Amino acid sequence: QVQLQESGPGLVKPSQTLSLTCIVSGGSISRGGDYWSWIRQQPGKGLEWIGYIYYTGSTYYNPSLKSRVTISVDTSKNQFSLRLSSVTAADTAVYYCASKPFNNHRHWFDPWGQGALVTVSS
Amino acid sequence: QSVLTQPPSVSGAPGQRVTISCTGGASNIGAGFEVHWYQQLPGTSPKLLIYDSSNRPSGVPDRFSGSKSGTSASLAIIGLQAEDEADYYCQSYDNSLSVQYVFGTGTKVTVL
Repeated sequence: QVQLQESGPGLVKPSQTLSLTCIVSGGSISRGGDYWSWIRQQPGKGLEWIGYIYYTGSTYYNPSLKSRVTISVDTSKNQFSLRLSSVTAADTAVYYCASKPFNNHRHWFDPWGQGALVTVSS
Repeated sequence: QSVLTQPPSVSGAPGQRVTISCTGGASNIGAGFEVHWYQQLPGTSPKLLIYDSSNRPSGVPDRFSGSKSGTSASLAIIGLQAEDEADYYCQSYDNSLSVQYVFGTGTKVTVL
């Protein structure tokens, strides 16, 4: 099973852009069996799906965040990235990367990265 | 924006059975989409516990079991152990015009 590891700044100023990267190890991001996903967990709250990308670059986003989200993939570095623009304090959360099977009948997420806490504050 | 409703907390003594409910609607569980469960131990990331409503990934103890009926699903822990103290989340697919992947509100399991 692949392992996922998030990285990026832990502090972002309001109105700026949050950027995180997820490094995939133990397998190729281009193996074709995965939608590479981002999920977040705001403090004391539940989980919220942000979106995912296929290694070809096809993306699917949560409609509530779609106007601010960009997910990209770099197959040469075996990693994918999240950009969330115009952040506010409400975007403070632990951001997880995860894998979802590339199958329209399999809708679970496994495995997950360890998570990256991003705080939005001036 | 949790669409699936879970009880905030459940508790039980070691060895007891506890059950966590997950209530959805016509566009997710009621539409026939499967339910998946995750365990989040303190300070860690969620881990897949049950997939497709009742299947356990390799390595998950058989004291965890899942079921689904109508617009709801349940996770049962039979023979509760101290290491089961964690947050549990259900998740499903939603075919409405809004978000595709929906999670439950989460349930804190406390071992007395």
